[in-house]
Amino acid sequence: AQSVTQLDSQVPVFEEAPVELRCNYSSSVSVYLFWYVQYPNQGLQLLLKYLSGSTLVKGINGFEAEFNKSQTSFHLRKPSVHISDTAEYFCAVSGRAAGNKLTFGGGTRVLVKP
Amino acid sequence: DTGVSQDPRHKITKRGQNVTFRCDPISEHNRLYWYRQTLGQGPEFLTYFQNEAQLEKSRLLSDRFSAERPKGSFSTLEIQRTEQGDSAMYLCASSFPSGGSDYEQYFGPGTRLTVT
Repeated sequence: AQSVTQLDSQVPVFEEAPVELRCNYSSSVSVYLFWYVQYPNQGLQLLLKYLSGSTLVKGINGFEAEFNKSQTSFHLRKPSVHISDTAEYFCAVSGRAAGNKLTFGGGTRVLVKP
Repeated sequence: DTGVSQDPRHKITKRGQNVTFRCDPISEHNRLYWYRQTLGQGPEFLTYFQNEAQLEKSRLLSDRFSAERPKGSFSTLEIQRTEQGDSAMYLCASSFPSGGSDYEQYFGPGTRLTVT
């Protein structure tokens, strides 16, 4: 079984400032790691994923995340946010077995202020 | 590729009524997942299909819930005798296992259920 903890439920940030969203996970097996974004009244859109290889992963819209196996973390960062980045962000893990159902964290709401 | 679609987008029903939601996955995807998202929470896995076979069900899926994917294409999720606690966003996702790379799930816009 897996679990995901997103340490911040809300992150207010000024436009053009950097942002970091923290994610820690727990699993007894090797996992894939994901970040999704959800805009109001919409489904989830994949930002980036870690499967294997380089621990620094680049995604869409200027986001990147770093996998740290020893700390079981997968923090998301963006060096300069825009108003349009206001949304809810979910970290998720899946085992590498068949099925690959996702286990999500509770989400972090990012509010970008002008 | 029109993406994953769900119908209806919103449903308001009275407690005790039955409701049915539909999900149409991306056409070549053979895996289909249902998740439930309550207000302020992350989505929780309910069940998934590979083609028409339902391979896993969460214990969240009580006996009032049933899901089908009769021809391995679209899927339906039915909730019988709805309760106020069923109010949530129901999300559908699909994926296509290709060479073991079935990790990426594409989500639909969701069906928001309100039980009054």
